[in-house]
Amino acid sequence: DVKVTQSSRYLVKRTGEKVFLECVQDMDHENMFWYRQDPGLGLRLIYFSYDVKMKEKGDIPEGYSVSREKKERFSLILESASTNQTSMYLCASTTGTGGHEQYFGPGTRLTVT
Amino acid sequence: ILNVEQSPQSLHVQEGDSTNFTCSFPSSNFYALHWYRWETAKSPEALFVMTLNGDEKKKGRISATLNTKEGYSYLYIKGSQPEDSATYLCARVGGSGYALNFGKGTSLLVTP
Repeated sequence: DVKVTQSSRYLVKRTGEKVFLECVQDMDHENMFWYRQDPGLGLRLIYFSYDVKMKEKGDIPEGYSVSREKKERFSLILESASTNQTSMYLCASTTGTGGHEQYFGPGTRLTVT
Repeated sequence: ILNVEQSPQSLHVQEGDSTNFTCSFPSSNFYALHWYRWETAKSPEALFVMTLNGDEKKKGRISATLNTKEGYSYLYIKGSQPEDSATYLCARVGGSGYALNFGKGTSLLVTP
């Protein structure tokens, strides 16, 4: 079974803090993705990576950065958390291009106060 | 951003009813269409990935069709069961062939 894990299910941070969300997959997938889910807006792509040290901006990259130093791990970084980054964050991975299903982690619900 | 639209936004059916949802998407520069089921407190799980016009896929009581020329896909559930209650997401892949653009989902509630 493909497994995608995320470091925390729930996280509470203060405005201005630096926040790291970690994602690990165990299926040797080349591609990894970070999404956020907000009520009424659907899943929106923040960043994705198609190889180690490679990254591409998604639809809403502002306020975020990412790091992929190892194939199995993809980190989302909020350099200075703001209240509008309160959201559910989902990580996903897949092999090949968009013709293959994505496997999702359980999500991290981040609250920024 | 290319808009993927799903309808209806929510649906409430009785156990045993059959139901269907619609996903509309821009037909230009199409690569693939995904359907996912997202149950509360769980991760989204893939149902189908379709790439060819006219594709039809089936998994148990759930099936999906794809029309890439007119830009729509239907998801059908035959004989709905309470365990089918979930949000159903569709997502289009275009352009680079990597990124998914998701619709807002259809929330299905099946009551006994």
